[in-house]
Amino acid sequence: DSGVTQTPKHLITATGQRVTLRCSPRSGDLSVYWYQQSLDQGLQFLIQYYNGEERAKGNILERFSAQQFPDLHSELNLSSLELGDSALYFCASSVAGLADEQYFGPGTRLTVT
Amino acid sequence: GQNIDQPTEMTATEGAIVQINCTYQTSGFNGLFWYQQHAGEAPTFLSYNVLDGLEEKGRFSSFLSRSKGYSYLLLKELQMKDSASYLCAVNSGNTPLVFGKGTRLSVIA
Repeated sequence: DSGVTQTPKHLITATGQRVTLRCSPRSGDLSVYWYQQSLDQGLQFLIQYYNGEERAKGNILERFSAQQFPDLHSELNLSSLELGDSALYFCASSVAGLADEQYFGPGTRLTVT
Repeated sequence: GQNIDQPTEMTATEGAIVQINCTYQTSGFNGLFWYQQHAGEAPTFLSYNVLDGLEEKGRFSSFLSRSKGYSYLLLKELQMKDSASYLCAVNSGNTPLVFGKGTRLSVIA
């Protein structure tokens, strides 16, 4: 158990809908990262927050957005969902967000039908 | 651009030694990580290299050559539970971690 929690574990929704994925980092970690993992693409970095502020952005679609709240939990919002958004979404956290080790949550499996 | 290459699949025998290679081309370098990921589960941290040389941790060792853009993960005394994907990831400074697509290792009896 990494200490990072994610909810929900599974989510099934229809195209065009909007969903919110939630992540609570390990106690003491200030950085939160979001990744998307689909079968043929590997782990793709989406976005990083550090202590409430956006720090780095990867290949995150405009339909996706995220935020980190004062209690350091984070939410990833996915809207106008498409079939291709079906994937495992992982949240990770680290102490400082530089070159330090990231601890991954169990993931949310999103299925868009 | 950023590019990380690893073999897609490898098979090795229980009790043997296997070496998983990773080559990278990134715009910067702040360290290289290896993660293990069992199917459908979260990646878990194995090792971190930032200086050239070998880092040993129990049955697992990781090597880095910055000048060659090359790393390998060495797994000794293979066990069936080592069957998993092994992900090489580079911190380039611009993006926290860029992951390779992973090497799926099958350990057979």
